[in-house]
Amino acid sequence: DTEVTQTPKHLVMGMTNKKSLKCEQHMGHRAMYWYKQKAKKPPELMFVYSYEKLSINESVPSRFSPECPNSSLLNLHLHALQPEDSALYLCASSQTLVAGGLDTQYFGPGTRLTVL
Amino acid sequence: QKEVEQNSGPLSVPEGAIASLNCTYSDRGSQSFFWYRQYSGKSPELIMFIYSNGDKEDGRFTAQLNKASQYVSLLIRDSQPSDSATYLCAVREYGNKLVFGAGTILRVKS
Repeated sequence: DTEVTQTPKHLVMGMTNKKSLKCEQHMGHRAMYWYKQKAKKPPELMFVYSYEKLSINESVPSRFSPECPNSSLLNLHLHALQPEDSALYLCASSQTLVAGGLDTQYFGPGTRLTVL
Repeated sequence: QKEVEQNSGPLSVPEGAIASLNCTYSDRGSQSFFWYRQYSGKSPELIMFIYSNGDKEDGRFTAQLNKASQYVSLLIRDSQPSDSATYLCAVREYGNKLVFGAGTILRVKS
């Protein structure tokens, strides 16, 4: 089973709102990722967590705040977003960060975010 | 940032034909390569991964890697209309960061 789940599927928020995106996997994976995908563009990495610790932050603005409460869950807290932040937010997981077979990333269905 | 390049297409092939999708990458030290399929409005779905030079086959799909020439390709045999999608080539960077190409749109005509 290579299932990653994300909630909500769709989210509309105003620029002053605070909201959170949630991601869950039960595959025993120890690495989890947030990507952002704009229309007709490839996914771009935002954050990487390995063993519940932040491993990579791709210079993401502080209005995006990731959290990894345990090895199965990954959250992305949103605050004071801009309309240009509207995109598909994808969560992914892999067994580990180690190359050579355990690093394959599996994506969740995504949350489509619209910022008004 | 390392670069991954793909022809954006669209690549049109008739049903039953072989579709050939290509990708080049800039970092000679790259070791892991992935092909994802993405239907419109959906998330990327893993098709193949390849780490070693040569061919890797899985059903109708064959991934080919040539590290000396820094390219990786995906062949889809007996193409079906359901294969119509955007195919994303991804290369692993430090910390398991995936760098994606822009994607190639494949259209299989029945």
